[in-house]
Amino acid sequence: SQTIHQWPATLVQPVGSPLSLECTVEGTSNPNLYWYRQAAGRGLQLLFYSVGIGQISSEVPQNLSASRPQDRQFILSSKKLLLSDSGFYLCAWSVRGTDTGELFFGEGSRLTVL
Amino acid sequence: GQNIDQPTEMTATEGAIVQINCTYQTSGFNGLFWYQQHAGEAPTFLSYNVLDGLEEKGRFSSFLSRSKGYSYLLLKELQMKDSASYLCAVMDSNYQLIWGAGTKLIIKP
Repeated sequence: SQTIHQWPATLVQPVGSPLSLECTVEGTSNPNLYWYRQAAGRGLQLLFYSVGIGQISSEVPQNLSASRPQDRQFILSSKKLLLSDSGFYLCAWSVRGTDTGELFFGEGSRLTVL
Repeated sequence: GQNIDQPTEMTATEGAIVQINCTYQTSGFNGLFWYQQHAGEAPTFLSYNVLDGLEEKGRFSSFLSRSKGYSYLLLKELQMKDSASYLCAVMDSNYQLIWGAGTKLIIKP
């Protein structure tokens, strides 16, 4: 069966510090991968998505970046965090080539920037 | 612009029925999803509608009217564990998901 894991689950970082959130998927090949941010009272905001190794699409300009060094690994990074980067970050995957678009989410990473 | 509207919060009683509405305005339509999200956890898939009508899955049903840009999620025989946020999402013409802010459902004994 397919599983998705992301870590760390909770992170408290000072403004200006770097960030690295990692996500891995097991039990499937060539997944579409996504990074979302969820702010209180707002819908999920798509940050990045990837359809293959090294292929990253950015939906929102910001000080975050993403990389996909391996087929089932997706990393969210920042060189210098801002207060506004605080939120709940979710990694997700979907089966490539289907139109149903069902997403399978990781456990989430709660980031607090102080 | 693209927009998904759903009530911010609803309250219902254990054992009762509740209907959560979702209206949408999107660039194209390739399906509507409902996800359940317990506090502090990741969303989990509940239902997918792409054709008009009612889809039933146990205690949960989802309805879609494409002409009205409207969907609802119906929860029957409510249990305390159903207390969660319910997210409505629409897949647009580019196959991107547009998300509502979610409806927080509070179940009272």
